[in-house]
Amino acid sequence: KNEVEQSPQNLTAQEGEFITINCSYSVGISALHWLQQHPGGGIVSLFMLSSGKKKHGRLIATINIQEKHSSLHITASHPRDSAVYICAVRSNTGNQFYFGTGTSLTVIP
Amino acid sequence: DSGVTQTPKHLITATGQRVTLRCSPRSGDLSVYWYQQSLDQGLQFLIQYYNGEERAKGNILERFSAQQFPDLHSELNLSSLELGDSALYFCASSPSLLAGYNEQFFGPGTRLTVL
Repeated sequence: KNEVEQSPQNLTAQEGEFITINCSYSVGISALHWLQQHPGGGIVSLFMLSSGKKKHGRLIATINIQEKHSSLHITASHPRDSAVYICAVRSNTGNQFYFGTGTSLTVIP
Repeated sequence: DSGVTQTPKHLITATGQRVTLRCSPRSGDLSVYWYQQSLDQGLQFLIQYYNGEERAKGNILERFSAQQFPDLHSELNLSSLELGDSALYFCASSPSLLAGYNEQFFGPGTRLTVL
């Protein structure tokens, strides 16, 4: 059973398109993280959310605690946004981390 | 550069062997996390240390162990290695115990290949 589900698994977009990646989780959480993993393997934390919405540049992350759902939006996508985006949650019992399987994004010039 | 360092970058070894992976957290960060990323399982949380003490345990096998030293660097020991242990091992650090409330900073990872 997967505590965190992401969709879509793969996404191809034209440069400039608005992109949405979805994450649903089944456990009670203390926080949700969006991570970006580049083709070279390095992982960067994009957002940590416990409620509401956060914005950083062209990236926006939202979370709905009642619905156990989060979305990551990329506005005006660019080829450098091509990466795997991973949703992770920290459960509020046992302090466990659970990860989605990732969304592989390719932005075509 | 996240400020988190991991050594070695690559490690190739044989089944049955034992290896040690090392992580130095960002200056001032007290929490260290270890993660395993394999092709079939994705990212998995292994263990968390805070200021030298174990604070949370995930899917860490009994053949694996970790510790955090007084200077806050951490080591992950993997023994009786099996082919399935081949993976990328990431270390991350954060300032506080409650990493649910803090961003984590990831190291570049150690790629372990077991032959």
